[in-house]
Formats: sequence, C-alpha cells, structure tokens
Amino acid sequence: DAKTTQPPSMDCAEGRAANLPCNHSTISGNEYVYWYRQIHSQGPQYIIHGLKNNETNEMASLIITEDRKSSTLILPHATLRDTAVYYCIVRVDSGSARQLTFGSGTQLTVLP
Amino acid sequence: GAVVSQHPSWVICKSGTSVKIECRSLDFQATTMFWYRQFPKQSLMLMATSNEGSKATYEQGVEKDKFLINHASLTLSTLTVTSAHPEDSSFYICSARDSLNLLKGSPLHFGNGTRLTVT
Repeated sequence: DAKTTQPPSMDCAEGRAANLPCNHSTISGNEYVYWYRQIHSQGPQYIIHGLKNNETNEMASLIITEDRKSSTLILPHATLRDTAVYYCIVRVDSGSARQLTFGSGTQLTVLP
Repeated sequence: GAVVSQHPSWVICKSGTSVKIECRSLDFQATTMFWYRQFPKQSLMLMATSNEGSKATYEQGVEKDKFLINHASLTLSTLTVTSAHPEDSSFYICSARDSLNLLKGSPLHFGNGTRLTVT
C-alpha cells in the first residue's frame, strides 16, 4: 500500500471549513484513498473513500487531484465535535478483506 | 450502516489473570476480523487477523500464545489476553468488513475499543 504524508496538526475555527491535506505521490491505479477519524478514546470512524472522482457524503467531501498524488478532506462546517485525529490511508482493494495500515494522522483541533 | 460492537469497553485486571474481549458484527457477516492495539499517543498497530473457522494470523512480534484469538462464528471474534502484565495495558480495537458486500473499496468498520488496565 502506498505511503501517505499528512501534517501532524491543524487548527480550524468553529463553523469554518476544515481542509485536511494528504500526499500520496506513490499511489497506484488500483489503490483507493480512505479517510477515517479517531476521537479520543474511541475506535476509528469511517468518513469517506474514493478512487478517482471527488466524493461527497453527509460527513465530508473528498477531493482527489487529477494525477491522484494528493487529496483533501473537507469538513464544510467544522464543529467542536470534529476535533479528532484524521487518518488518510491508501489501500489496494482486492475484493477480500484486508487490514488498514494507520500512519500518524493529523490532529485537527476545532477552536470555539 | 455497518456496526461493530466491542465488549467490554474497559476492564481492569490483576497481573497474571486473563481477560477476554469480544468483537461482534451486528448487522453483517465477517469471515475476517482484525485486532489492533494502540498505546497512548501512538497510532493503531495491527496485531492479528482473525479468520472464521481457521487459525488467526499474527503480525511479527505478537505472541500467539499470549493473545489467543477465536473466530467461531461469522459475527463473533474474541481476543483473550492470557497472563496479563502491566505492559499489556493498552487500547484494543477490532474491525471488520461485510463479507457479503465486498464491493470495490467498501470500508472496514471499527469497534469502539476496549481499554485494558493491568495492575
């Protein structure tokens, strides 16, 4: 699975959009980009994933660059509850269950 | 959405005793489940892969005789920490993916973790 690089920490004002970047310059054509977050003392929560196209769901939007070497997770209106560690993970999907490998992630702090 | 339930959410045990942690997929079947461990201020580290009806596979450095895994049904995997010691104190998290819905890219879902403290 391709390696990802994320900033260790970011701050965001409550109510503003939080844009979390992820670099995955060695991504291959069959690797998906997944985003999870972990609120303190809880298990990771799935947010969104994508292959090539931008994706949006009720939680967030995922913007993947055309060359797929980087992506941005967007939380459109951050709340205090969005304070968490956000993990960007790249993984091949082979149709069978495979584990996720977690890096250090980005600690997002939403400020009041 | 897919829900993975872990029990207990926290446990305190004495050194030398064993502790069992359960991981259940509530609304889907999972032939494979994963067990992770997380120490304070660190990321999740995969410990082992639990396979329904067969032996678990362990990551390098994880003692299979100490961390016993049983995956007896399509919805339940258990992790037993045997002869626990204070250094086993950690946050244990399981995850699973719907085996009947292995659509391209379908995500893993995680339990809420079990905080183990060994005194």
